Amino acid sequence: NAGVMQNPRHLVRRRGQEARLRCSPMKGHSHVYWYRQLPEEGLKFMVYLQKENIIDESGMPKERFSAEFPKEGPSILRIQQVVRGDSAAYFCASSPYRDSLGELFFGEGSRLTVL
Amino acid sequence: GQQLNQSPQSMFIQEGEDVSMNCTSSSIFNTWLWYKQEPGEGPVLLIALYKAGELTSNGRLTAQFGITRKDSFLNISASIPSDVGIYFCAGQLDRHTGANSKLTFGKGITLSVRP
Repeated sequence: NAGVMQNPRHLVRRRGQEARLRCSPMKGHSHVYWYRQLPEEGLKFMVYLQKENIIDESGMPKERFSAEFPKEGPSILRIQQVVRGDSAAYFCASSPYRDSLGELFFGEGSRLTVL
Repeated sequence: GQQLNQSPQSMFIQEGEDVSMNCTSSSIFNTWLWYKQEPGEGPVLLIALYKAGELTSNGRLTAQFGITRKDSFLNISASIPSDVGIYFCAGQLDRHTGANSKLTFGKGITLSVRP
């Protein structure tokens, strides 16, 4: 039973390019959370999605960042016109239902480096 | 916004020793969780606490949900080398409400165990 799958594991972009990070939740999970982790920092909440719906995007920067979780396929976190400050590890987590008792299953993360 | 405080940033102990980590918050959480992250991996849930005053064990790990709902501690007894990692506390405001179900994380404590 595969866990949360994220790809790419490592991504290098130049300033101004676009970054797309993909997350396939665990089988049977329909709730996806994206978190960002800066060096020596905790995980900062970005967005919470269910299939085809954004439930909470209070942690998303107002510009350049967007997320989706379509009916079919993985959830995607998209960062347009990347800047050096976007360099971080981006983690996706999934849960089977809303009342998940706080247990989120995390992927291994996608590490974005902006040159 | 809500913040969880963990200190110190790093702890160094000898194999076989017990270690205690504390996590405090300026606001109330109704669920407290402890996660462990190893290098290059995503966080993994260790213990979840759902009731103020609750004391829960998982093998050599024991955690308590503070009576004020503003703090929690994690104890690791008889440490072993594989306990090395970053330990994060996390709080959840309301697991029944979509927007309040996100987890807020502390910055983590990096634990090193000397053989």
